[in-house]
Amino acid sequence: GNSVTQMEGPVTLSEEAFLTINCTYTATGYPSLFWYVQYPGEGLQLLLKATKADDKGSNKGFEATYRKETTSFHLEKGSVQVSDSAVYFCALKRDGSEKLVFGKGTKLTVNP
Amino acid sequence: DTEVTQTPKHLVMGMTNKKSLKCEQHMGHRAMYWYKQKAKKPPELMFVYSYEKLSINESVPSRFSPECPNSSLLNLHLHALQPEDSALYLCASSQVVGLDNQPQHFGDGTRLSIL
Repeated sequence: GNSVTQMEGPVTLSEEAFLTINCTYTATGYPSLFWYVQYPGEGLQLLLKATKADDKGSNKGFEATYRKETTSFHLEKGSVQVSDSAVYFCALKRDGSEKLVFGKGTKLTVNP
Repeated sequence: DTEVTQTPKHLVMGMTNKKSLKCEQHMGHRAMYWYKQKAKKPPELMFVYSYEKLSINESVPSRFSPECPNSSLLNLHLHALQPEDSALYLCASSQVVGLDNQPQHFGDGTRLSIL
């Protein structure tokens, strides 16, 4: 079946540190991949997406590259800010399917 | 600001009450979704509507009753809920169902507490 595995959190960093949140997936075919962010007390916001191998999604300084050979979509940011503190969800969706398959989420806390 | 609007933001109800959650989007999307999210967990899909027709019911108990009056509105009617139904209920929409490159856009949710 389809599944997404994210690194276990929580992750705590100092401001301006480098961030990596690992995400790997299992899926048949060629799914689209997404990162969503959930700030405290809010719903999910789409952070970035990639729809085919070697695509790089980017937004707000965050990047992730669709790596088919390693079935990975790791989230990176070169210099995190306190305002990046949130829960980050990796997700996939197969073509023709209505369902988003989420990872368990990784809570990030950035300290000043 | 989210483009999917959910009301109310918070709801406290007793187990014998009947209430409704509402969701509205004006992006012209033809697919709408209800999710349930417990604390520290990812969202769990409950229902999917495609072109105002129910296309997926993830074996949700009948005390949850969805309704899609038109392409912009989605309701979730609640009756005789249990304490374990307390959660954040999220609505989402996407352009159409099934196209893999179309992301789902989420509202901020309704935080539901069952007494």
